[in-house]
Amino acid sequence: SYELTQPPSVSVSPGQTASITCSGDKLGDKYVCWYQQKPGQSPVVVIYQDTKRPSGIPERFSGSNSGNTATLTISGTQAMDEADYYCQAWDSSTYVFGTGTKVTVL
Amino acid sequence: EVQLVESGGGLVQPGGSLRLSCAASGFIFSSYWMHWVRQVPGKGLVWVSRIKSDGSGAIHADSVKGRFTISRDNAKNTLYLQMNSLRAEDTAVYYCAKADASWYDYWGQGTLVTVSS
Repeated sequence: SYELTQPPSVSVSPGQTASITCSGDKLGDKYVCWYQQKPGQSPVVVIYQDTKRPSGIPERFSGSNSGNTATLTISGTQAMDEADYYCQAWDSSTYVFGTGTKVTVL
Repeated sequence: EVQLVESGGGLVQPGGSLRLSCAASGFIFSSYWMHWVRQVPGKGLVWVSRIKSDGSGAIHADSVKGRFTISRDNAKNTLYLQMNSLRAEDTAVYYCAKADASWYDYWGQGTLVTVSS
């Protein structure tokens, strides 16, 4: 079965850049989206179709996807960005989530 | 306003059955693919099932295949997940999610299923 691997945790100082990777075989051939989940809440999409931001999501969130790795970048990280982040890969019959990354803003 | 409201969760014994429902409103339900996703408390998200807008094309994760069945009633704007032969490892919060092409733009609040004797 298809697997997506993320680092368990990423720490970042306020105002700095956080990068979260998502690795999977030929991931660049699939669409990737990213979800943010805060404690006790349902997930919210922050990036879809590799690089697109839904309305209402701050510009500091950006995404890329190439080869075997997709990356979510949070520029100018704020305290409110502290959350769990999950990548997800889509194709006709693949709906796999990544292992999840806890972002801590120190 | 789009709303997805899950119900039907609860405590069930191993081997038992439950049917989850997801009542949808605020959008044309019959036009969108719908999914179920689950999450063990404190753990990650796991995709469970998908169904196309017209009720065709139901697929399930290998871990639930043959035990769970996704369905929908477009006249009632409701998504279902019939769960049979439940196991302890099925204990999780179950979310329904609306698919917009290749992403989930709306999620329900989730319903907790606990499988325990």
